[in-house]
Amino acid sequence: EVQLLESGGGLVQPGGSLRLSCGASGLSFSNSGMNWVRQAPGKGLEWVSGIRSVDGTTYYADSVRGRFTISRDSSKNTLYLQMIRLRDDDTAVYYCAKSGLLNWGQGTLLTVSS
Amino acid sequence: QSVLTQPPSASGTPGQTITISCSGSTSNIGSKTVNWYQQVPGMAPRLLMSSNSQRPSGVPDRFSGSKSGTSASLAISGLQSEDEADYYCATWDVSLDGWVFGGGTKLTVL
Repeated sequence: EVQLLESGGGLVQPGGSLRLSCGASGLSFSNSGMNWVRQAPGKGLEWVSGIRSVDGTTYYADSVRGRFTISRDSSKNTLYLQMIRLRDDDTAVYYCAKSGLLNWGQGTLLTVSS
Repeated sequence: QSVLTQPPSASGTPGQTITISCSGSTSNIGSKTVNWYQQVPGMAPRLLMSSNSQRPSGVPDRFSGSKSGTSASLAISGLQSEDEADYYCATWDVSLDGWVFGGGTKLTVL
């Protein structure tokens, strides 16, 4: 059974930085593309970023390009999302999801507020 | 403004059949398969349908999906109170090089 567990969320001031992690089990992590999807309070789902397994190619939504960096450590079966220059509108629950958005974690809440 | 267009709300009575639509374009639904998700408030989204019409194990066959051209649909037959949730469609957009979602449809079982 695929299990994804996000961590690292919390309260950050505008302009600050944070790194989210997603631990994966029950899948061949090194052969799996991975994604981050977020959901602002009371809003819909928004894809944030993805990384391909084949060649490590990364993809970003326009709203985060240049501020967020997705990466992976296959030796630790862990996906990361490094976030800098955080803004109020980055406040959301962040989910990691396997390629094809077929499996999702339970999410971690990031709150950006002064 | 979401790339994929869904009705914001839908409703039905127990036992009825309802359909939720998802409209896109040639760069997304027109060229890629569609997933559907169910989300109960406070919970993570649950995959209901992948590749337009494939139900993962554990999803009742009351749920069915279809796609035609640049639109997709999710049908729920034999509506039950436990089906009350938000429903989202999603697919890859080849022009945006990213996943796109519908704005979500809130289903109320009257």
